[in-house]
Amino acid sequence: DAGVTQSPTHLIKTRGQQVTLRCSPKSGHDTVSWYQQALGQGPQFIFQYYEEEERQRGNFPDRFSGHQFPNYSSELNVNALLLGDSALYLCASSSDRNQPQHFGDGTRLSIL
Amino acid sequence: QQQVKQSPQSLIVQKGGISIINCAYENTAFDYFPWYQQFPGKGPALLIAIRPDVSEKKEGRFTISFNKSAKQFSLHIMDSQPGDSATYFCAANHNDYKLSFGAGTTVTVRA
Repeated sequence: DAGVTQSPTHLIKTRGQQVTLRCSPKSGHDTVSWYQQALGQGPQFIFQYYEEEERQRGNFPDRFSGHQFPNYSSELNVNALLLGDSALYLCASSSDRNQPQHFGDGTRLSIL
Repeated sequence: QQQVKQSPQSLIVQKGGISIINCAYENTAFDYFPWYQQFPGKGPALLIAIRPDVSEKKEGRFTISFNKSAKQFSLHIMDSQPGDSATYFCAANHNDYKLSFGAGTTVTVRA
């Protein structure tokens, strides 16, 4: 039973570029959340998708956007990249409101 | 504004010793309190979780103690092993919405 898978594992971009990160949830999960984890800090919630809609959003600018597909997989898009966007981007999935969130190993994004 | 405060930032324990990590929260709507373990280069892995209707939950060497009136909860790692060396995060949420994480505690177990 595959867990949460994310791609790519590493990515290097330059300031001003755009990036798309991908996530496949754990089998049987329909809810996907995205988090940003800066070095040495706890993950910060970006947004959550359920039934292809953004259900809740954290304190991130509109440069961060997402999408959920009918198969429950999800994408995170970041436009106009800034140096401060360098971080580990984590995807988490869950099956219901009261079930735990399971994380993938993340995408390490470096902005030069 | 950090909704979950975690301490200490780091700790060192001898093999076989007890590691204790503490967390405090403000939002009384929180109703789910998980702990995650993260190794370098990996994502957080769910370790153990508790809901506020119980005061303690034990799974193997890991125990969560929960004090609803004080809005505090803690993780105890008994008989600490070198393989337990990792960063531990407490978290909280309400109704499967966003997880609010603590800042993390780096645990080093010395053989």
